[in-house]
Amino acid sequence: QVQLVESGGGVVQPGRSLRLSCAASGFTFSSYVMHWVRQAPGKGLEWVAVISDDGTNKYYADSVKGRFTISRDNSKNTLYLQMNRLRPEDTAVYYCVWGLGHWGQGTLVTVPS
Amino acid sequence: QAVVTQEPSLTVSPGGTVTLTCGSSTGAVTSGHYPYWFQQKPGQAPRTLIYDTSKKHSWTPARFSGALLGGKAALTLSGAQPEDEAEYYCLLFYDDTRPWVFGGGTKLTVL
Repeated sequence: QVQLVESGGGVVQPGRSLRLSCAASGFTFSSYVMHWVRQAPGKGLEWVAVISDDGTNKYYADSVKGRFTISRDNSKNTLYLQMNRLRPEDTAVYYCVWGLGHWGQGTLVTVPS
Repeated sequence: QAVVTQEPSLTVSPGGTVTLTCGSSTGAVTSGHYPYWFQQKPGQAPRTLIYDTSKKHSWTPARFSGALLGGKAALTLSGAQPEDEAEYYCLLFYDDTRPWVFGGGTKLTVL
C-alpha cells in the first residue's frame, strides 16, 4: 500500500536551515507530481510547493518563495524540502502529499520567536 | 494572490443533508480550477475526498459528492453520520506561477 513517511522536523532557531525528507513506497514515485503542504498549530492548510515527476518544474507559495527549495531523488523514492532563513511563522506540521491524493502523517517544524 | 472562501462553520443533523461551498476572489470557480475537497479530523492528517470537481477516491463514502453550483465548488453530504464531524478544506488550482490555494476550512458539526 502507499506509504509516505516524513522526517527531519524539529526545533530550529530563526534564520537557520532545515531539510525535510519524505520516503515514498507503494507506487511508482518517479511517475508522479509531489507536493508539500503545511499546517500551523490550530490553523488551516497551506499549500507550500510542488515538483513535477522528473524534477524539472517547481512552483512555490509566495510565503516561501526564495527561501524553500523542493527537490526529489527518484532513485531513492524520496522527496525533500530544503528550508532556509526560517521564521517563526514557518512553525507548522509539514505534510508530503502524492498527487494531492495520499498524505503522509506529517513532521513538526518549530521555529521559536 | 487569490483568496479562496469557505463557510467558517456549518451544522447538520444526523441523517440530514448539507452543502459546503468554495468560492474564489477572482470570479466563478470552474472545472479549470480542478476543485479538491479534503476532510481532517482532530489529530489526524487530512484525507482527500473529492478531486477534479466531482471524482471520488476508492475510500470516499458514497454520501459525499462534489459539483459546481452557482459559480462555486460545492461538497454535498447526504445522510450525515456522527463520524463526518470534521474540518473540510477545498483547494483550487490557478496557474503555473501560483498554482494551488486552500480555502480557510469549514468546521462541520453533526448535531
